[in-house]
Amino acid sequence: QSVLTQPPSASGTPGQRVTMSCSGSSSNIGSNPVNWYQQLPGSAPKLLIYRSNQRPSGVPDRFSGSRSGTSASLAISGLRSDDEADYYCATWDDSLSSRVFGGGTKLTVL
Amino acid sequence: QVQLQESGPGLVKPSETLSLTCTVSGAAISKYYWSWIRQPAGKGLEWIGRVYNGGYSYYNPSLQSRVTMSVDTSKNQFSLNLNSVTAADTAVYYCARDSSSSYKEDWFDPWGHGTLVTVSS
Repeated sequence: QSVLTQPPSASGTPGQRVTMSCSGSSSNIGSNPVNWYQQLPGSAPKLLIYRSNQRPSGVPDRFSGSRSGTSASLAISGLRSDDEADYYCATWDDSLSSRVFGGGTKLTVL
Repeated sequence: QVQLQESGPGLVKPSETLSLTCTVSGAAISKYYWSWIRQPAGKGLEWIGRVYNGGYSYYNPSLQSRVTMSVDTSKNQFSLNLNSVTAADTAVYYCARDSSSSYKEDWFDPWGHGTLVTVSS
């Protein structure tokens, strides 16, 4: 059972905008910035968003992140077939004194 | 361009020690913090811990009693030892560079490709 809760699946059609959530508590998302990782099938995770809403160089601006209270969200606009992947949120948990990940959301592009 | 490559045995017997090495190219290992993360098949990610040159390390409390990490600056490598392994330790193990010395302001980038370690007799 992950400390951060993500819906197991999400879907959308090409060109659509999809959002996925990451729910936590005051000891993790409520206190610390959130990072998002994209894991394409058969590949290692890749940093997508850091400090809740910052994009590393090379990540398209179709990807955006936000954080409010004890939840965070990842939005993908102009959905493409190659966005099909697992997406993980992560942050620091003050109570556990550990970095924690969500269980991941599998995005399907229909 | 920073690249990381994990290496080590793909099969470890129960109760023995899992040992992996991460070789870093494109960056001086002494300048950054480095982490290990693992992922059981079909499951999510679990942070194992981080290490820095000079003997600093911090481990996930859930694994702390079994984990040791170290840095070898002469080879630009860092390593993971996990003892008393069981089938529950079977996973793909990734190494990654930490962005920051701060636990709270930290993210992993880049990651290695990962190496599968199976615990079985």
